Amino acid sequence: SQTIHQWPATLVQPVGSPLSLECTVEGTSNPNLYWYRQAAGRGLQLLFYSVGIGQISSEVPQNLSASRPQDRQFILSSKKLLLSDSGFYLCAWSVYTEAFFGQGTRLTVV
Amino acid sequence: QQQVKQSPQSLIVQKGGISIINCAYENTAFDYFPWYQQFPGKGPALLIAIRPDVSEKKEGRFTISFNKSAKQFSLHIMDSQPGDSATYFCAASMVPSNTGNQFYFGTGTSLTVIP
Repeated sequence: SQTIHQWPATLVQPVGSPLSLECTVEGTSNPNLYWYRQAAGRGLQLLFYSVGIGQISSEVPQNLSASRPQDRQFILSSKKLLLSDSGFYLCAWSVYTEAFFGQGTRLTVV
Repeated sequence: QQQVKQSPQSLIVQKGGISIINCAYENTAFDYFPWYQQFPGKGPALLIAIRPDVSEKKEGRFTISFNKSAKQFSLHIMDSQPGDSATYFCAASMVPSNTGNQFYFGTGTSLTVIP
């Protein structure tokens, strides 16, 4: 069966520090991969999606970047975090019709 | 532009009552309509889904009603329980392509079931 791993679960980082969140998927090949951000009590904001290795599409220009170095690995990065980067970050994957989410990373920038 | 519009934003229902959440879409290219349930601090989990060639799908206490001509669909939770208290997202997806994002989510409904 397919599983998605996302880590860390929580992260507290100072303003101006770098960020690296990692997501890996097991049990499937060539999935579409997604990074979403969710502010407290709000909806899902699509940040990046990828349809293949090295293929990244950005939905919202911002202080973040994404990379897909391997078929089932998706990384969300920032060189310098801002206070506004705080939120709940979710990785998701899909093969055809449904998206499956990881457990999320709660990022607090202080 | 919000591709999928969801209402209400929040909903309070008595235990045993019926919870109804509504969604509407415009893009007729959508061909799959899943609903997700999210508990605090967790990722959304797929709850139930429907294709546009079916007007209704029922799984236990959860039912999706789909109106293709009106481009609307709704989630009904029968005999609502306190354990159903969560945020619910509707979504619409289309056949995946090599370039385009295929998923569009509603803005979510926070459901509270009062004992």
